Amino acid sequence: EAQVTQNPRYLITVTGKKLTVTCSQNMNHEYMSWYRQDPGLGLRQIYYSMNVEVTDKGDVPEGYKVSRKEKRNFPLILESPSPNQTSLYFCASRLSGANYGYTFGSGTRLTVV
Amino acid sequence: DAKTTQPNSMESNEEEPVHLPCNHSTISGTDYIHWYRQLPSQGPEYVIHGLTSNVNNRMASLAIAEDRKSSTLILHRATLRDAAVYYCILMAGGTSYGKLTFGQGTILTVHP
Repeated sequence: EAQVTQNPRYLITVTGKKLTVTCSQNMNHEYMSWYRQDPGLGLRQIYYSMNVEVTDKGDVPEGYKVSRKEKRNFPLILESPSPNQTSLYFCASRLSGANYGYTFGSGTRLTVV
Repeated sequence: DAKTTQPNSMESNEEEPVHLPCNHSTISGTDYIHWYRQLPSQGPEYVIHGLTSNVNNRMASLAIAEDRKSSTLILHRATLRDAAVYYCILMAGGTSYGKLTFGQGTILTVHP
């Protein structure tokens, strides 16, 4: 089944403890992206990648890192998580070109205490 | 990014058609009009997109105004499973990245 898989689905962690949220897609998509969703603020883009080794900042990149070493994987790294990074995170992917829609993962709910 | 304007909420009865409007008066010639929906506790789901002509798929229809400054997502027979937040988004065409900038969307309530 064509899908975007995020892990973990739920995570509670403590301030400052490095963590990685994984994202993998099996559709050979070039574009991948990370979003966070917060009440009242909607979905905001964190980082995106247009292909292997090509990444760029979205609207809210502070406190996050990404890498794209393989086409299928696009992990989101929080080097030193803080409580304001408590959020619902979504990974998405699509083929290149504007004539394609994004496929989103099921989300990762992160709580930083 | 070009901006879209949608009503905050709409209501419908089950098995009736629903027309969800979207205004995008600053759309550029290469912007595609995309619609996504987000069901409770799920990630956004692609619904439909178009450039100039009206589009149909198994989920919905998209009617695009001749001047492209507005569009309407049409659900032909609403079901309770269509209750969701619907987002109208402009995606830049050409060789650009095609970033999706989400607005607040329209909350659709479907009554049995």
